[in-house]
Parts: sequence; structure tokens; C-alpha cells
Amino acid sequence: EAGVTQFPSHSVIEKGQTVTLRCDPISGHDNLYWYRRVMGKEIKFLLHFVKESKQDESGMPNNRFLAERTGGTYSTLKVQPAELEDSGVYFCASSQGPGMKEGPRVQYFGPGTRLLVL
Amino acid sequence: AQKITQTQPGMFVQEKEAVTLDCTYDTSDPSYGLFWYKQPSSGEMIFLIYQGSYDQQNATEGRYSLNFQKARKSANLVISASQLGDSAMYFCAMRERDTGRRALTFGSGTRLQVQP
Repeated sequence: EAGVTQFPSHSVIEKGQTVTLRCDPISGHDNLYWYRRVMGKEIKFLLHFVKESKQDESGMPNNRFLAERTGGTYSTLKVQPAELEDSGVYFCASSQGPGMKEGPRVQYFGPGTRLLVL
Repeated sequence: AQKITQTQPGMFVQEKEAVTLDCTYDTSDPSYGLFWYKQPSSGEMIFLIYQGSYDQQNATEGRYSLNFQKARKSANLVISASQLGDSAMYFCAMRERDTGRRALTFGSGTRLQVQP
């Protein structure tokens, strides 16, 4: 079974440009999460989708960030316009839906997208 | 607010020895879950082990075990018989259950280096 995949693996853009990150969750996982780690800081939660709905977007830093999950499958995270402080690693994770037996509902992470804003 | 503290930025261990990576947490939620992830140099985050706050026994997964001390709010990861491939960053994370939020809160990580 394929794991969580993310594209691109690396992106270098200039301040003011737009970048779109894509995440494909594990097949059948209703829950999809975005996290990011900026240089020297902890991994921070950005938002959580359940299928196509935003369940929790309390971690989104500002309105330059837009996340979508049309059709409840893959998700995109757009940064427009990008600022220097947006540089970091953006992780996507997915977990099984509420139909499964309650348990740890482990979040399985993708390899991340390394974003550098110059 | 929940918080995870990993006080060891870096650790060294000799191959085949055991090592303990520290993690303390703070939460007012009586129901929570604790996770450990490994991040090798390739960058992916690999789930290692989980401990629920109401679990009576310490979790174990192969060479990984979790030393869960609820009263002390600590959830240390123990790796037995270290291997060179264990060299990586290790993150402790927590998720509160009663709030309904599924976001993980992460510690700052510990970089483990296994020496031959």
C-alpha cells in the first residue's frame, strides 16, 4: 500500500511568488493534516480536513495560506504571496476515519516539501 | 495549553547499547495519546510507538518501548540494542482526546547518533 506522497519534494521561489504544494493521502484515509517546521522551531499544526471539509484550521498563520481538498482525496496548500518566513518543511499526514475502531488513529506522514523563499 | 518538552537536543550511543530519549508533557486533558516518530536524514516521519493515557501497561514495539510515568507526565522512549540505522531525529508528540481536536503537538526533537 502506498504511503502519503507529497509534491514537489523541494521548491525554491522568490518572495512574492506563489507556490502550491500537493499531498496525496493513504487511500481510504478520511483525515488529512498539514504541518510545517520552520527553521529551528518545532513542527506546528496548520489544519485538518475530514474528507473535503476543514475540521480545524486553527494553525493557519494568515490569509496568505489557502488549503483545499476537493473531492476528499488529495489536498493542496497554496501560499500566495510567499514571504521569507514561510521557508521550512511542510508535512502532510493522513489517518483513518471515524468508522474505524477507536484507537490511536496514527497519523502517517509524507516525506515533506522543503520550501525556500528567497 | 498542551506542551511537549524534549530536553536532549542530541544524544550519542554505542551500537548494541540501549538508549533512553526523554519526553515530558503538560496537559489538563485527562485523556490523551502520546506518540514517538523517527525522522531519518531522508526526511520522512516514521511512526514508532503509541501510548494511551489510560493504558495500564507500557507500550512496546520490537526494540522500542515507552517508559510511561503518568504521575510525572513523562513518556520516555527506550531503544534497545541500538543499530546504526537508528541514527535520526526523534520526535515526541501528544494529542488530546477530550477536546476533539486531532492536531498533534510536537516536541523540539532529539538527534540520536549511534556510533560503531
